[in-house]
Amino acid sequence: DTAVSQTPKYLVTQMGNDKSIKCEQNLGHDTMYWYKQDSKKFLKIMFSYNNKELIINETVPNRFSPKSPDKAHLNLHINSLELGDSAVYFCASSRGHNNQPQHFGDGTRLSIL
Amino acid sequence: QKEVEQNSGPLSVPEGAIASLNCTYSDRGSQSFFWYRQYSGKSPELIMFIYSNGDKEDGRFTAQLNKASQYVSLLIRDSQPSDSATYLCAVQSSGGSYIPTFGRGTSLIVHP
Repeated sequence: DTAVSQTPKYLVTQMGNDKSIKCEQNLGHDTMYWYKQDSKKFLKIMFSYNNKELIINETVPNRFSPKSPDKAHLNLHINSLELGDSAVYFCASSRGHNNQPQHFGDGTRLSIL
Repeated sequence: QKEVEQNSGPLSVPEGAIASLNCTYSDRGSQSFFWYRQYSGKSPELIMFIYSNGDKEDGRFTAQLNKASQYVSLLIRDSQPSDSATYLCAVQSSGGSYIPTFGRGTSLIVHP
């Protein structure tokens, strides 16, 4: 059973489009995260939710909007996609938000044409 | 700005040797330290975590933490070609901001 699952695995789309990435975890964790990993492999946190409440919102363009319908799901919607949004987006979860190890999904590779 | 620094490498070691990966961090309030392994094209997976000064061993892996000097290291004994990957150091503070900060990773190559 996949612990943290993201869909889709690959996303190829045109500049200016709107797209969503979905994430679900079946670990019973309270905290979920979105990370962006650029071409230089730098993993940068974007958002974190704890029990459906937004607790981390890093300096991310407001074209990115996370949504957590329940603590097992954290989706990411991106409006007006730009070339610089091309990256691998990882979802992760942890038991709590305080000093807990994280479990990562397989990633979504987003390519903007 | 909290920073986590790692030598990008690549660090090349022969099979059977000890690989030593180092990480320094800027935030003295950091409380928890994690090592993740990431194979090319895959997601990060947790190898070790350590909270207290000293050594923590798990199989061939040993994490070492020195809060006074603000560094954490990962030793891999009896390195295998399958250990070839990028190793990411992550640091998290407590008390207000729980933002996990990752280093840029060290590429390890274990050659037969």
